[in-house]
Amino acid sequence: GQSLEQPSEVTAVEGAIVQINCTYQTSGFYGLSWYQQHDGGAPTFLSYNALDGLEETGRFSSFLSRSDSYGYLLLQELQMKDSASYFCAVKGYQKVTFGTGTKLQVIP
Amino acid sequence: NAGVTQTPKFQVLKTGQSMTLQCAQDMNHNSMYWYRQDPGMGLRLIYYSASEGTTDKGEVPNGYNVSRLNKREFSLRLESAAPSQTSVYFCASNLGGNQPQHFGDGTRLSIL
Repeated sequence: GQSLEQPSEVTAVEGAIVQINCTYQTSGFYGLSWYQQHDGGAPTFLSYNALDGLEETGRFSSFLSRSDSYGYLLLQELQMKDSASYFCAVKGYQKVTFGTGTKLQVIP
Repeated sequence: NAGVTQTPKFQVLKTGQSMTLQCAQDMNHNSMYWYRQDPGMGLRLIYYSASEGTTDKGEVPNGYNVSRLNKREFSLRLESAAPSQTSVYFCASNLGGNQPQHFGDGTRLSIL
């Protein structure tokens, strides 16, 4: 089976940097993805890591360590619009499993 | 491009009623998925279809059936709705494998 752990809530100040961690257990591993979901909205894809290291996309970066079964999403220069839930997701042998999500609140 | 379209957006049912949630994508994606999302539970996979003509159970398939009608359409049926099936249902699609999933806007379903 597959399971993921991420913090349920994080609060950060506008303009700051925040890191959202994700640890996983999976039978077979093909990659770690991150999705953003605003309240009442649909999840949208942010990033994907198949190999160890850092992937950067604008203000967002995602990191993966396969040996540690660990990854994180890094959000820089936080903006109020970044307030949302963030889900990590693991691709195993057959399907993708989502974590329970981290609700990020950005405060002025 | 419409992307992934789900209908209806909202629905209220009585216990025991049946209904079908519709999903269509116009991105020529091979794989389609149905998830339910409950508070604090994240997204849980109900059924998926890796390609046209195939369907497989996900994490929480009990009480549901699916049909991959063609490459574009993937429907979810509740044969006898129960209050425990009150949830937000999302349909998603992708090219397959570890490619990004594209989600519809969701169907908010309440069962009384």
